[in-house]
Amino acid sequence: AQSVTQPDIHITVSEGASLELRCNYSYGATPYLFWYVQSPGQGLQLLLKYFSGDTLVQGIKGFEAEFKRSQSSFNLRKPSVHWSDAAEYFCAGRPNDGTASKLTFGTGTRLQVTL
Amino acid sequence: NAGVMQNPRHLVRRRGQEARLRCSPMKGHSHVYWYRQLPEEGLKFMVYLQKENIIDESGMPKERFSAEFPKEGPSILRIQQVVRGDSAAYFCASSTEYAYNEQFFGPGTRLTVL
Repeated sequence: AQSVTQPDIHITVSEGASLELRCNYSYGATPYLFWYVQSPGQGLQLLLKYFSGDTLVQGIKGFEAEFKRSQSSFNLRKPSVHWSDAAEYFCAGRPNDGTASKLTFGTGTRLQVTL
Repeated sequence: NAGVMQNPRHLVRRRGQEARLRCSPMKGHSHVYWYRQLPEEGLKFMVYLQKENIIDESGMPKERFSAEFPKEGPSILRIQQVVRGDSAAYFCASSTEYAYNEQFFGPGTRLTVL
């Protein structure tokens, strides 16, 4: 079955520190992969996406993610976290089958930023 | 270009009542998806629709839930005879028909069942 796993439920980092949020996927073939951010009481905003090609993907707000086929991972990184980055982060995937289709989400990682 | 619109943003119903959630996709988008987010959980897929067609309803509960996306007007997610366990945030997303396009999410409708 297709699945996306986020092993870390909650992460706390200091402002200015680096950040890495983990995401692992399980699909028959390499899926399309996404990272979304959700602020409290809000909808989801797309940070970045991976379809094919360059395995290091740049997104908005200074985020990047690296696709590693050998590890079935798509970890999100940011070199220096700002207090405004505190939010819930979701990794999601969908099949790379040439069609529009549903997203499968991980359970999310809640990021807390200390000043 | 307005984003995905959902209304109402908050909805309170008593057990046994009906809930109707509306979603207007982005202009030019012909595909609509509904997801449910239970408290402290991730989003779970419910149903995927195109105009006048249900493409995938594998995530819809078998009873009380239905969805439509008519030729004119918004997509509607309908929950009949609501129960406390239906309390959740319901998100709508839309996309074009092209595989390389992402889904854009609306702000959600937060349903509370008393």
